[in-house]
Amino acid sequence: DTEVTQTPKHLVMGMTNKKSLKCEQHMGHRAMYWYKQKAKKPPELMFVYSYEKLSINESVPSRFSPECPNSSLLNLHLHALQPEDSALYLCASSQWGTGGAEGYTFGSGTRLTVV
Amino acid sequence: KNEVEQSPQNLTAQEGEFITINCSYSVGISALHWLQQHPGGGIVSLFMLSSGKKKHGRLIATINIQEKHSSLHITASHPRDSAVYICAVKTSGSRLTFGEGTQLTVNP
Repeated sequence: DTEVTQTPKHLVMGMTNKKSLKCEQHMGHRAMYWYKQKAKKPPELMFVYSYEKLSINESVPSRFSPECPNSSLLNLHLHALQPEDSALYLCASSQWGTGGAEGYTFGSGTRLTVV
Repeated sequence: KNEVEQSPQNLTAQEGEFITINCSYSVGISALHWLQQHPGGGIVSLFMLSSGKKKHGRLIATINIQEKHSSLHITASHPRDSAVYICAVKTSGSRLTFGEGTQLTVNP
């Protein structure tokens, strides 16, 4: 299995809703990432987990809450979002550190619309 | 000034043409990635380079570490190559810094 699987593919939520995005990989990668991508812009890093521990939080608002329950799963819990949070949310995984010979594997993303 | 600069921003070609997309960076890197993103879709990793040249099918990627420059070439371009091509560099740890992307349109 060489894929990163993200669910759901599309999500519409109200500003008072609570929802979760899910990401799964079975490549044995020990680094997992959440990125946010607005239209016609490059991805922006949100969070990095290495060995199931949060290693980077790019000053993301607390209405986004990441969770890594095990080495294969990464969740992003959403609560009280704003319309400007509407974007494509991408998950990625890789070997950790500079010595990895593999590149990154990205998921196909969750298109989130906040109404 | 961005740490990763791509050119051109937009590129339109006719089917069969040879295409070059350039990437320059201003920071020390451990690797450079070329990524492809189709409209509304996820990102596919095309190449990871730390030196020299790699080839996969009609795609060729080169990097010159001394000049801090990389190029992505597409030979015999096809409409299905139409996508955004993104250069990203790996700096500290596993952090990636992305260029703004090049929108490629190949017309039949």
